[in-house]
Amino acid sequence: GQNIDQPTEMTATEGAIVQINCTYQTSGFNGLFWYQQHAGEAPTFLSYNVLDGLEEKGRFSSFLSRSKGYSYLLLKELQMKDSASYLCAVRDNSNYQLIWGAGTKLIIKP
Amino acid sequence: DAGITQSPRYKITETGRQVTLMCHQTWSHSYMFWYRQDLGHGLRLIYYSAAADITDKGEVPDGYVVSRSKTENFPLTLESATRSQTSVYFCASLGGEQFFGPGTRLTVL
Repeated sequence: GQNIDQPTEMTATEGAIVQINCTYQTSGFNGLFWYQQHAGEAPTFLSYNVLDGLEEKGRFSSFLSRSKGYSYLLLKELQMKDSASYLCAVRDNSNYQLIWGAGTKLIIKP
Repeated sequence: DAGITQSPRYKITETGRQVTLMCHQTWSHSYMFWYRQDLGHGLRLIYYSAAADITDKGEVPDGYVVSRSKTENFPLTLESATRSQTSVYFCASLGGEQFFGPGTRLTVL
């Protein structure tokens, strides 16, 4: 079966660093996406990994290990506006469909 | 306005009524998707479309109907709404990554 696991909720402090993990078991793999979703809003694209390694984009970085079926999203210098849900999604071999994790709700405390 | 829009943004209806949710995109993306999002389930794919007049079922298609007569529009119809269809519905189109509309919050009483 196809499965994506993320922690349900995490709490971190403003200014700190937090790592949100995602593990996946899918029949095919053609890339992993991270999306951010603020409460009551639509998901917005954050990052994409298709090869092993770290992709850095400002305060956000995403890592992928295909052999381990594992990814993480690293958020640095946390700000209150980073309070949101973070969704991990895997694109299977179809090139268009995404398999979604349930999301991790990140709570930032002052 | 460029982008992807959905209407209505909020809808309250009664069990048994037919409801149509609209989705419009201005990018001419070929692929479009309908998801529902419920607590604890994340995003679940209802239907998708590869092009005008080409649609296919996703993970949870029962009780829903779609059409795509024009590339830019992808309406979703609940033929006879049930309380279990109370949810937030997102439309998305594919241009590299998936771009999402703002969502429709549907309540079925």
